[in-house]
Amino acid sequence: RKEVEQDPGPFNVPEGATVAFNCTYSNSASQSFFWYRQDCRKEPKLLMSVYSSGNEDGRFTAQLNRASQYISLLIRDSKLSDSATYLCVVYLYNQGGKLIFGQGTELSVKP
Amino acid sequence: NAGVTQTPKFQVLKTGQSMTLQCAQDMNHNSMYWYRQDPGMGLRLIYYSASEGTTDKGEVPNGYNVSRLNKREFSLRLESAAPSQTSVYFCASSEGGTATGGYTFGSGTRLTVV
Repeated sequence: RKEVEQDPGPFNVPEGATVAFNCTYSNSASQSFFWYRQDCRKEPKLLMSVYSSGNEDGRFTAQLNRASQYISLLIRDSKLSDSATYLCVVYLYNQGGKLIFGQGTELSVKP
Repeated sequence: NAGVTQTPKFQVLKTGQSMTLQCAQDMNHNSMYWYRQDPGMGLRLIYYSASEGTTDKGEVPNGYNVSRLNKREFSLRLESAAPSQTSVYFCASSEGGTATGGYTFGSGTRLTVV
């Protein structure tokens, strides 16, 4: 079983739609959680951290459920520029402080 | 621009050839990492260096070696390239010992082994 699992998609949505991505992780010792964004053939870039209380950054909302080992990302009012692959990432302090990446969920926003 | 610089950006190797991927960061970060990315697999950690002078294996270290030359530079060596090592390789750095997720990635090296 992969340590971090995501639905690979692709998710094809129209502009203005709301879309949600889910992610599960297997290591209960995971300490911190993040969403990264990766544009086609480019390097990953940090989108936002994920906190147990939930957090927002503009149109993006991230949620964490430690009991269920589940992370989500909600994108409201989708823009064409949101088209990318979204990577769910966990930080494992007890393994030398490494980031473990999910395989990513591809999003395509259409006009 | 400040950040992580990887060279080369593209490389084609024949099976059995060797090469070294170079990575340098100018952010005074303590920790550096090498990942490979394959379709449907996400990024997988090959080796990492928590601080200058230390290196450790990641998830997929076989067939690779690394050198943390100094605080700025972390190189990845393929001693005898195999087609299974065809991939996109990303170097990253972070301040280390932090859970902020603030990894900075290089732009990647696209390696094809024929």
